[in-house]
Amino acid sequence: GDSVTQMEGPVTLSEEAFLTINCTYTATGYPSLFWYVQYPGEGLQLLLKATKADDKGSNKGFEATYRKETTSFHLEKGSVQVSDSAVYFCALSDPGDSSYKLIFGSGTRLLVRP
Amino acid sequence: EAQVTQNPRYLITVTGKKLTVTCSQNMNHEYMSWYRQDPGLGLRQIYYSMNVEVTDKGDVPEGYKVSRKEKRNFPLILESPSPNQTSLYFCASRPPLPRRGETQYFGPGTRLLVL
Repeated sequence: GDSVTQMEGPVTLSEEAFLTINCTYTATGYPSLFWYVQYPGEGLQLLLKATKADDKGSNKGFEATYRKETTSFHLEKGSVQVSDSAVYFCALSDPGDSSYKLIFGSGTRLLVRP
Repeated sequence: EAQVTQNPRYLITVTGKKLTVTCSQNMNHEYMSWYRQDPGLGLRQIYYSMNVEVTDKGDVPEGYKVSRKEKRNFPLILESPSPNQTSLYFCASRPPLPRRGETQYFGPGTRLLVL
């Protein structure tokens, strides 16, 4: 079945450092890809998404590019802030799945120190 | 404001005592679903509903029930909770059309502890 694999956390960075969180997927169809963020004590918020190969999703300084050839959707940010500390989830949805469910990775906790 | 609400946000209960977690959305979405979040496992779908009176099992439905009598509400029922149902639960909804890449909107979560 479809699956998403994320790098293990926590990832600890100093403020203004460059961030990469790796995400790879396996899918039988042609999925849409998402990054969701969960701030401490809050629910999930959509951070960005991409629906086809070579699309780049971006929001709040974060970017991710849909790479079909490497089945990846890595999250990047050029300069992280303390307020970016959160858990980040990579997810996919398969248009052939009638349940419309999102398949999530295990999440990566990011800690940004001042 | 468009939102998905859940109640309660936190719940401590004992094994075998029936409980219901409510979920409501104000976006007129036909599709709603429940997920549970566990450390190292991400989120997994429990049940989903395509419309009123239409529900189906997700990937981890054992021990749960749902009902969908109104479009806006989708309660999750634990008839006889067990400690392995201790988890963080999220309700979600999305627009009805199967457009590619449609965003799902999540509630704030309900943290459940079963003793």
